[in-house]
Amino acid sequence: SQTIHQWPATLVQPVGSPLSLECTVEGTSNPNLYWYRQAAGRGLQLLFYSIGIDQISSEVPQNLSASRPQDRQFILSSKKLLLSDSGFYLCAWNWLGRSGDTQYFGPGTRLTVL
Amino acid sequence: KNQVEQSPQSLIILEGKNCTLQCNYTVSPFSNLRWYKQDTGRGPVSLTIMTFSENTKSNGRYTATLDADTKQSSLHITASQLSDSASYICVVSALAGGGADGLTFGKGTHLIIQP
Repeated sequence: SQTIHQWPATLVQPVGSPLSLECTVEGTSNPNLYWYRQAAGRGLQLLFYSIGIDQISSEVPQNLSASRPQDRQFILSSKKLLLSDSGFYLCAWNWLGRSGDTQYFGPGTRLTVL
Repeated sequence: KNQVEQSPQSLIILEGKNCTLQCNYTVSPFSNLRWYKQDTGRGPVSLTIMTFSENTKSNGRYTATLDADTKQSSLHITASQLSDSASYICVVSALAGGGADGLTFGKGTHLIIQP
């Protein structure tokens, strides 16, 4: 069976500090991978998606970046965090070539920028 | 612009009662519609997925309906339980939508079940 992991589960960072969130998927190959942000009281916002290693598409221009150094590893980064980066970050995957199919979400990372 | 509107924004009902959540969408073209349940502090979990030709689908006490003509969907919860307290998110997928994703998310309905 497939599982998706995210870490850390919670993170408190000062404004201007760097960020690195990691997501890994087990039990599948060549998945589509996604990063979402969910701000308090708002819906899910797609940040990045990837259909393969080093193939990243950005949906929203911002101070965040994503990388996929390995097939089942997706990393969300920032060089300098802003207060507005606070939120709940979710990683998700689904099957390659079937991007309209059900997505499977990780447990999320709660990021608070102070 | 593709949009998904959910109502109500929040809902409080007593344990054991039924409730219905609404989802209206303007996504075009249409591929499928999904309902997700998101417990507080957790990732969303899929409840149902319906394509254009399906107008009802059940998953235990959850029953989703779809009217592709009026572009409306509902999620009916029967005999609610305390564990049903969560946010319910409607997601619509467009054929050949933007990027590799083409998904439009509603903001969700926050449901609270009181004992």
